[in-house]
Amino acid sequence: DAKTTQPNSMESNEEEPVHLPCNHSTISGTDYIHWYRQLPSQGPEYVIHGLTSNVNNRMASLAIAEDRKSSTLILHRATLRDAAVYYCILRDLQVSYGKLTFGQGTILTVHP
Amino acid sequence: EAGVVQSPRYKIIEKKQPVAFWCNPISGHNTLYWYRQNLGQGPELLIRYENEEAVDDSQLPKDRFSAERLKGVDSTLKIQPAELGDSAVYLCASSLVGREQDEQYFGPGTRLTVT
Repeated sequence: DAKTTQPNSMESNEEEPVHLPCNHSTISGTDYIHWYRQLPSQGPEYVIHGLTSNVNNRMASLAIAEDRKSSTLILHRATLRDAAVYYCILRDLQVSYGKLTFGQGTILTVHP
Repeated sequence: EAGVVQSPRYKIIEKKQPVAFWCNPISGHNTLYWYRQNLGQGPELLIRYENEEAVDDSQLPKDRFSAERLKGVDSTLKIQPAELGDSAVYLCASSLVGREQDEQYFGPGTRLTVT
């Protein structure tokens, strides 16, 4: 699986936007970009995924660079409940069908 | 809708003892996963089931770990005998494979401490 690189930690203030970066310079044309997050003492939960175009859902937005070598997860208004570890994961269904390969992720701290 | 249920939530055992974890996936999900998460790391896949069949168990330490998924629903993961290095959180997840880019739904995990 292609590798992703994320900052170890980031901090934000409540009600401010948060931009979580992810680098994936070796991404292949068939890799989807997935984001999961893990709240304290819980299992990971799906946030969003995309292939080439930017994506929006009720939780977040995903901005994908034109060359697809990086992406950014955007939380439009951070809340205290968004404090979690955020994982950026590449998935190629042709190679690793059904498998999520987690890295160490980014620990997001949200200050009141 | 009920989520993935795991039990127990916490387990403390002495080394060389056996231990078992139980998982009940989301109703209708045909694929079930067991992951292990060491402290400060992301989860790592141990085994994946499609219905009753284990389709990926390449990361399961088969000398001491075993798993089963009877009738394609509930699953049990067993360790016998446990070692100190097995202390971790064991996560179960399920998904409805067949849809594009199936989301995996995780349970809260079982935190195992081996002393």
